[in-house]
Amino acid sequence: SQQGEEDPQALSIQEGENATMNCSYKTSINNLQWYRQNSGRGLVHLILIRSNEREKHSGRLRVTLDTSKKSSSLLITASRAADTASYFCATAAASYQKVTFGIGTKLQVIP
Amino acid sequence: KAGVTQTPRYLIKTRGQQVTLSCSPISGHRSVSWYQQTPGQGLQFLFEYFSETQRNKGNFPGRFSGRQFSNSRSEMNVSTLELGDSALYLCASSSGEADTQYFGPGTRLTVL
Repeated sequence: SQQGEEDPQALSIQEGENATMNCSYKTSINNLQWYRQNSGRGLVHLILIRSNEREKHSGRLRVTLDTSKKSSSLLITASRAADTASYFCATAAASYQKVTFGIGTKLQVIP
Repeated sequence: KAGVTQTPRYLIKTRGQQVTLSCSPISGHRSVSWYQQTPGQGLQFLFEYFSETQRNKGNFPGRFSGRQFSNSRSEMNVSTLELGDSALYLCASSSGEADTQYFGPGTRLTVL
């Protein structure tokens, strides 16, 4: 079963707009990660946020984590056509335990 | 450093056959995880190997097995293939401590 569930499942925006994706999970976690997957290819790690962190930035990416609500959000600012991809959240209950992925959000950025 | 490599990239098999997929992790990484990705089920965790030992296991039948060699390269085997085994099989390596995983391009398996 999936630990994380992304919302929305699909998102279509215009280039230059911001894109926000949400992830909810069920059990306590050690860390939460976001990955990107371009069509039919391997996943690329974007950012990792630990359970004791609330917010993290990396370039145009901003991730928040609310452990009380068991949720995280990924914000991509000033989106580009190249951001078109599927985005997955992944959780681990503890270091060295298996990483569980959500179903993903399919983002389309229209030029 | 070279990235994670997977061979072969594409594979076509028929029901009942068996298949072996290979994964070479990033140099220095001791953990290799395998995932099955299908449109309906998303990414499903198969198993993880760390220093030649299976450290974590997902909920897949015994037809799915794996191993890891002393150089950290890993193989997964699927015996008695079924149509439902058609999927993209992804392997990911990590140092085993930082939790960040680095994925290979995947092997696309089609079972006819």
